[in-house]
Amino acid sequence: EAQVTQNPRYLITVTGKKLTVTCSQNMNHEYMSWYRQDPGLGLRQIYYSMNVEVTDKGDVPEGYKVSRKEKRNFPLILESPSPNQTSLYFCASRLSGRGNEQFFGPGTRLTVL
Amino acid sequence: DAKTTQPNSMESNEEEPVHLPCNHSTISGTDYIHWYRQLPSQGPEYVIHGLTSNVNNRMASLAIAEDRKSSTLILHRATLRDAAVYYCILRVPETSGSRLTFGEGTQLTVNP
Repeated sequence: EAQVTQNPRYLITVTGKKLTVTCSQNMNHEYMSWYRQDPGLGLRQIYYSMNVEVTDKGDVPEGYKVSRKEKRNFPLILESPSPNQTSLYFCASRLSGRGNEQFFGPGTRLTVL
Repeated sequence: DAKTTQPNSMESNEEEPVHLPCNHSTISGTDYIHWYRQLPSQGPEYVIHGLTSNVNNRMASLAIAEDRKSSTLILHRATLRDAAVYYCILRVPETSGSRLTFGEGTQLTVNP
């Protein structure tokens, strides 16, 4: 089944404790991205990657890192999480080209205490 | 980035058609119009997209105004499963990361 998977789905952590949220897609998509969703703010893009070893900042990159060493994986790293990073996170992927649909993962709900 | 404007909420009855409007008066000539929806506790899901011509697929139809400044997502027979937040989005150029800028969308309620 074609899909985007994220792990973990739920995470409660404390300020400053490094964490990684994994994202994997099995559709051979070139493009992957991370979004966060907050009430009243909609979905905002954090980082995106147009292919292996090519990443760039989205609208709200502060406090996050990403890497794209393989085509299928695009982990989101929070080196020193803070409470303002408490949010619902979505990974997405698609084929390159503006007309192509984006596939979203199921989401990771992160709480930073 | 070109912005879209949608009503905050709409209501429909089951088995009836639903027309969800979207205004995008500052759309550029190369922007695709995308619609996504988000069911409760799920990630956004692609519905349909178009550039200039009206489009149909198994989920919905997309009617695009001739001047492209507005569009309408049409669900031909709403079901309870269609209750979701619907987002109208303009795709920015590939060189800008091609991100989807989601606003608050339209919360669709479907009454039995």
